[in-house]
Amino acid sequence: AQKVTQAQTEISVVEKEDVTLDCVYETRDTTYYLFWYKQPPSGELVFLIRRNSFDEQNEISGRYSWNFQKSTSSFNFTITASQVVDSAVYFCALSDYSGGGADGLTFGKGTHLIIQP
Amino acid sequence: NAGVTQTPKFQVLKTGQSMTLQCAQDMNHNSMYWYRQDPGMGLRLIYYSASEGTTDKGEVPNGYNVSRLNKREFSLRLESAAPSQTSVYFCASSTLWGLDSPLHFGNGTRLTVT
Repeated sequence: AQKVTQAQTEISVVEKEDVTLDCVYETRDTTYYLFWYKQPPSGELVFLIRRNSFDEQNEISGRYSWNFQKSTSSFNFTITASQVVDSAVYFCALSDYSGGGADGLTFGKGTHLIIQP
Repeated sequence: NAGVTQTPKFQVLKTGQSMTLQCAQDMNHNSMYWYRQDPGMGLRLIYYSASEGTTDKGEVPNGYNVSRLNKREFSLRLESAAPSQTSVYFCASSTLWGLDSPLHFGNGTRLTVT
């Protein structure tokens, strides 16, 4: 069964708009970690954030913010005042014991974000 | 800082040919991984090495073999390439084998099998 769902395949917004990328996960474990990665057009994968299952505080880093809600099994990512450089594919990922721990992360299929000037 | 280095960046093979993808990290990480990325599929784990001297299968290991040559290097071998192995391959490493270790990725190898 799919454990990480990114329902938005592609999102296109105009520069300076706010945009939220959705991530819904599934796990039976009480201890787990969630991650977001960015893949710009150049192709490399860049780690953005890690959140553990016991910390539901929202995280803000500049224009980026993350909303973790265990009640809805979601870990959404918001970009405020988007810029063209934010154009990329964004992946949400889950690490839990039932997936074998750190024998790799389970990735969602990614959301392609297009920021139009 | 080089981080995770993969070679080659591009490769074209004919069906049945073999090749080895090389990966090296200079961050003194214990764990290393090989993923493949296909359109609409996200990233899927092929093999991983939790520590030097150990390797284990991931989600899609068929048709591949790996070698953890030393702490720095982790290679992926295709013994008899098939068109279904056309993909972008990413090597990654992490500090420790554990739930919370973020992965650091190489720049990928784009492989086409004709």
